[in-house]
Amino acid sequence: DIVLTQSPATLSVSPGERVTLACRTSQSINNNFAWYQQKPGQAPRLLIYGASTRATGIPDRFSGSGSGTEFTLTISGLQSEDFAVYYCQHDNNWLAFGGGTKVEMK
Amino acid sequence: EVQLVESGGGLVQPGGSLRLSCAASGFTFSDYNMNWVRQPPGKGLEWVSSISDRSHYIYYADSVRGRFTVSRDNAKNSLYLQMNSLSAEDTAVYFCAKSMSWQISALDIWGQGTLVTASS
Repeated sequence: DIVLTQSPATLSVSPGERVTLACRTSQSINNNFAWYQQKPGQAPRLLIYGASTRATGIPDRFSGSGSGTEFTLTISGLQSEDFAVYYCQHDNNWLAFGGGTKVEMK
Repeated sequence: EVQLVESGGGLVQPGGSLRLSCAASGFTFSDYNMNWVRQPPGKGLEWVSSISDRSHYIYYADSVRGRFTVSRDNAKNSLYLQMNSLSAEDTAVYFCAKSMSWQISALDIWGQGTLVTASS
């Protein structure tokens, strides 16, 4: 099975900063890769699919990139509403999620 | 409005059973693959099961295979998860989620979740 490893586990940042989250897969995968944001008490929200395509209504400060085994989510100019946990996800016949990165206020 | 609403969660004794339902509205339910994802308290997301649009393809996580059964009724716009032999490790919020398309497995619509607690 493909394992998704996110780093770091926690990121302490200030509003306005540029944030880069990483997700590494245990073997090379296709670009059927997604990123989600989850706030406390809420369902996850799709941010990026196809490794780099923003979902409907997602601000352009969110961008995704990567291929093979290394994928990144970048938030350019973190807003207060962006403090949350972020998960990566891949589909290899069945779905797999990374362990998450918590973006917290410094 | 595109919406998924789960129901059926609750407190169940270890070894017991529970059936979750997910009611879909605002989109053509029969055109999309559907999924169950769970989240134990304070932990990350764990995929549970997926079912294709016409139920021809069904997949389960190793942790639930043989105990859980996913099904759907396209005439009723509903997704189900029958959970048997529940243990404390199954305690979680269970989300139903819609796949974007048959080619794109990203989950674009999620329900609000229903809490299942297996405890004596």
